[in-house]
Amino acid sequence: SQTIHQWPATLVQPVGSPLSLECTVEGTSNPNLYWYRQAAGRGLQLLFYSVGIGQISSEVPQNLSASRPQDRQFILSSKKLLLSDSGFYLCAWRRPGYWTGELFFGEGSRLTVL
Amino acid sequence: AQSVTQPDIHITVSEGASLELRCNYSYGATPYLFWYVQSPGQGLQLLLKYFSGDTLVQGIKGFEAEFKRSQSSFNLRKPSVHWSDAAEYFCAVGGGDYKLSFGAGTTVTVRA
Repeated sequence: SQTIHQWPATLVQPVGSPLSLECTVEGTSNPNLYWYRQAAGRGLQLLFYSVGIGQISSEVPQNLSASRPQDRQFILSSKKLLLSDSGFYLCAWRRPGYWTGELFFGEGSRLTVL
Repeated sequence: AQSVTQPDIHITVSEGASLELRCNYSYGATPYLFWYVQSPGQGLQLLLKYFSGDTLVQGIKGFEAEFKRSQSSFNLRKPSVHWSDAAEYFCAVGGGDYKLSFGAGTTVTVRA
C-alpha cells in the first residue's frame, strides 16, 4: 500500500530564517506531487506541483520554492521566511496519468513564523 | 478557470439530526468532483467522488452527495450526524489536468 510522510510535523521559526519541509511517498512510482498551504480560516491554496523529477510548476509567486530531487521526494523551501508564510502545509500525491483520481494527503506540517 | 464556492463557513447541527453542506463549482467541461474531510490538525481524507454515471454517489462514514449539472452543485448530505462528524469539510473540482481546486471549507460543529 502507498503511504505519504511529512516532516517536521510542527515548526516554529523566526522571520528571516530558512525553511525546509520534506515529503516522501512510498509504495508507488512516478507520482504527481503537490504542496498546498492552508492558512487559518481559509481553504487550500495550491503552491507547487510536480509530474516528475526536476519538473516543478509554481502556482503562486512568493518567496517559497520546491524541489524534487528524487522520484518520491518533494521538498518545500524558503531562504528567508516572512510572517505571512505561517500556515499548515500539506503534501499530497496522485497516481500518474490518472487525472480523475483523488489526491492522497499527508498529515501536514504546521509552520509558525514569529 | 475552475473554482469552488462553499457558501457556509460554519454549521452547527445536533447529534442525530441531518446535515447538508453546499458546494457550487465553476468548470468549463465535465467536472470531477470530490468531498474531503479534515479533522483538527490532520491531513485530508476523501469522503466520496463523482466522475460520471449515477449522479447520487455514496461515500464513507454514511455520507452521500448529489451532482446537479443544471445547478453546478455537488452538495454533501448525511441523514444522521454523529459527534465524530465534527470536522472541516472541503469540496474540490478537477478535470483533465494536474490540479484540484478546493473551496474554503465548511466547519461542522456537532452539539449533544
